[in-house]
Amino acid sequence: GAGVSQSPSNKVTEKGKDVELRCDPISGHTALYWYRQSLGQGLEFLIYFQGNSAPDKSGLPSDRFSAERTGGSVSTLTIQRTQQEDSAVYLCASSFGTYTDTQYFGPGTRLTVL
Amino acid sequence: GEDVEQSLFLSVREGDSSVINCTYTDSSSTYLYWYKQEPGAGLQLLTYIFSNMDMKQDQRLTVLLNKKDKHLSLRIADTQTGDSAIYFCAEINYGQNFVFGPGTRLSVLP
Repeated sequence: GAGVSQSPSNKVTEKGKDVELRCDPISGHTALYWYRQSLGQGLEFLIYFQGNSAPDKSGLPSDRFSAERTGGSVSTLTIQRTQQEDSAVYLCASSFGTYTDTQYFGPGTRLTVL
Repeated sequence: GEDVEQSLFLSVREGDSSVINCTYTDSSSTYLYWYKQEPGAGLQLLTYIFSNMDMKQDQRLTVLLNKKDKHLSLRIADTQTGDSAIYFCAEINYGQNFVFGPGTRLSVLP
């Protein structure tokens, strides 16, 4: 079946603009995760949705970042007033259940803030 | 905040064992993970260990956890060229936040 998809695959934006990144998880997966991977740095966890429960937002790097998941499926990660340090690959993953289940990662969205 | 550390590089000869080490600071970690990232590919969950376990073995992979020292290791027996990748250590705490290490780049020499 189809894997996790993300769009756009690449996004170049100007500093100060807002961007919206989309993630379509695997059908039937209740858990959805957002991460980012910056050049020369490791993976950074951002936020985790489990079913319809409210997510823990404490991993988001600043209040310019927000995420939502509508209907327990598609998720969007929004970055307002982008900064150059937001440039990274943003990865989405989904899993069938909780965090002991294998996470299936999407291809990522490469965000470049000029 | 919580921190996970790993050495950045490791080189081994094909057929030898590889040991990748990780230290973490969060005493409330519940699960610890090893992920593999191959060039141009996504992350792959290799294995995980619950915090009340000392060891977990899965074919060529052995995970050792020293909870007192907050030290996690991944041993790959009979390392092959296909094992060349970046290996990330990660932990999750009761607050459900994953924390990843910087990744160890494993190079397998013929």
